[in-house]
Amino acid sequence: KAGVTQTPRYLIKTRGQQVTLSCSPISGHRSVSWYQQTPGQGLQFLFEYFSETQRNKGNFPGRFSGRQFSNSRSEMNVSTLELGDSALYLCASSFSGINLSEQYFGPGTRLTVT
Amino acid sequence: ELKVEQNPLFLSMQEGKNYTIYCNYSTTSDRLYWYRQDPGKSLESLFVLLSNGAVKQEGRLMASLDTKARLSTLHITAAVHDLSATYFCAVDDPYTGTASKLTFGTGTRLQVTL
Repeated sequence: KAGVTQTPRYLIKTRGQQVTLSCSPISGHRSVSWYQQTPGQGLQFLFEYFSETQRNKGNFPGRFSGRQFSNSRSEMNVSTLELGDSALYLCASSFSGINLSEQYFGPGTRLTVT
Repeated sequence: ELKVEQNPLFLSMQEGKNYTIYCNYSTTSDRLYWYRQDPGKSLESLFVLLSNGAVKQEGRLMASLDTKARLSTLHITAAVHDLSATYFCAVDDPYTGTASKLTFGTGTRLQVTL
């Protein structure tokens, strides 16, 4: 069974640009969550999508957005990039995201903003 | 706001020694997760603790959960170099009960020396 995949794995962008990251969940999983990991703030929850709807949202500015497609693949977008957006972005998938549904993490996308 | 604290933040230990990592969280939650992260890599699930008094063991690692004390421990027995990594505990969202919105601890960087 294939794991969670994320593309691209590495990305370098300039301040002010926008970026789109992609996440393909494990087959059959309908919930996709996104996390940001930085040395200063640690691992922080961004948002979660389930059945193409945003079900949970963390405390991030509106520059961070996402969506989920009918095949459960998810994308997150960051507009007007800032230096502080440099981070490892992890997505995780689970069957339903509730109760006993365990999350499985992808390899991450490392974003560098210069 | 749910807060998750780990200590110590950094742990240097010799091979063969025992040690415990502590994870305290601030609100009621019945489920706690332990993850391992190697440098530059994603998160690997170690344990899922689902109820008060839960204890799980895998190799040299043993995790336990005390929901009344809001405390989980990760005990390392006879450490070996391969255990060197950063260990995170995480708690699911107590308000929605969803396991897809995790709050992570600060992480404990474990270094096992020969």
